[in-house]
Amino acid sequence: EDQVTQSPEALRLQEGESSSLNCSYTVSGLRGLFWYRQDPGKGPEFLFTLYSAGEEKEKERLKATLTKKESFLHITAPKPEDSATYLCAVQAPTLTGGGNKLTFGTGTQLKVEL
Amino acid sequence: DAMVIQNPRYQVTQFGKPVTLSCSQTLNHNVMYWYQQKSSQAPKLLFHYYDKDFNNEADTPDNFQSRRPNTSFCFLDIRSPGLGDAAMYLCATSDLRGRGDGYTFGSGTRLTVV
Repeated sequence: EDQVTQSPEALRLQEGESSSLNCSYTVSGLRGLFWYRQDPGKGPEFLFTLYSAGEEKEKERLKATLTKKESFLHITAPKPEDSATYLCAVQAPTLTGGGNKLTFGTGTQLKVEL
Repeated sequence: DAMVIQNPRYQVTQFGKPVTLSCSQTLNHNVMYWYQQKSSQAPKLLFHYYDKDFNNEADTPDNFQSRRPNTSFCFLDIRSPGLGDAAMYLCATSDLRGRGDGYTFGSGTRLTVV
């Protein structure tokens, strides 16, 4: 069974204080690791896809990296508007019906304060 | 803009009273998914449609059913809602390219059971 574990569960940062979120995973037939941002009462919003160990992607203050067992989301000099829950998901083949599905972690709830 | 729309945003139902949640898409994606997300938990896949083919997850309770009358619409039916079914229900679509940005999520329906 595919498993995704995220840590920490919650993180409180001061504005400008850089940090990293962790996502460790076990999956059969990984077809990509995805990072999403989720604001309260909304659906997940896509951030990054990583496909192979060593791959890195950047977007503004966020940088995602991938190894064979885990992924990190690095946040550099965060601002209050970065406050959200960050979800990690692995994509793997569905057992029936063809196609793929996402298995999510429980997320890291980030709060950035002035 | 093409998107995934869920209705209603908030639904209150009585214990044991059947309820239907709606999802529509203008993306013409082959695959539609229903996820259940309880407070501070990971989104959990209930089932998905690959075109007209219905695919149930092994641990999805029989109380949950789904219909996809055409490419654009998908419904989630909860036959006898219990207090434990209170959650955010997310609909998502996929274009089968396997990229993270190939998944599009709706804003969700928050279900309350009283």
